[in-house]
Amino acid sequence: NAGVTQTPKFRILKIGQSMTLQCTQDMNHNYMYWYRQDPGMGLKLIYYSVGAGITDKGEVPNGYNVSRSTTEDFPLRLELAAPSQTSVYFCASSYRDRDQPQHFGDGTRLSIL
Amino acid sequence: LAKTTQPISMDSYEGQEVNITCSHNNIATNDYITWYQQFPSQGPRFIIQGYKTKVTNEVASLFIPADRKSSTLSLPRVSLSDTAVYYCLVGAHNTNAGKSTFGDGTTLTVKP
Repeated sequence: NAGVTQTPKFRILKIGQSMTLQCTQDMNHNYMYWYRQDPGMGLKLIYYSVGAGITDKGEVPNGYNVSRSTTEDFPLRLELAAPSQTSVYFCASSYRDRDQPQHFGDGTRLSIL
Repeated sequence: LAKTTQPISMDSYEGQEVNITCSHNNIATNDYITWYQQFPSQGPRFIIQGYKTKVTNEVASLFIPADRKSSTLSLPRVSLSDTAVYYCLVGAHNTNAGKSTFGDGTTLTVKP
């Protein structure tokens, strides 16, 4: 049972480039989330999904896009990378949102130069 | 918005009990309180969750007073490996009351 798997683990982008951060879970969870964590700070919610085909914005959605075509996968897209998007990105999933814990991946460390 | 407030940092020694309090004055009726632990370069890991009174599992206890405006995570007999950042999360993301947030957490340092 792999849990939540994120790829890549590390990536360096140039300003203006695009990339997709991959996230997949094998727990058949309905809810999936994307967070970013800047150094020394807490996690900020970017986007979340309550099931395949349904997504909604979190606190800091600008500059990002998501899609959820299957229960397992929840990719995060950066269209025009900016230095302010340098951060560690965490994907998480849970069976329910309110009373079930979130399971986190190991993160993707992204640097934009 | 279910905002939380925690102390920025705490120090302790091995073998002591540590209590970390989280304030959440705007908690909604249906909100649960969940605590996570995060080590450097890792994603947060679930510790404990509760709704009211007291919850205990094999690693921690969670105390929630009757008004539910705060909660206390209790770690018995900490060891060096408990040095980490601890977050409380109140509520859920998918509610009409607004999206819950992770605060900046409490950095616990356990000394020998």
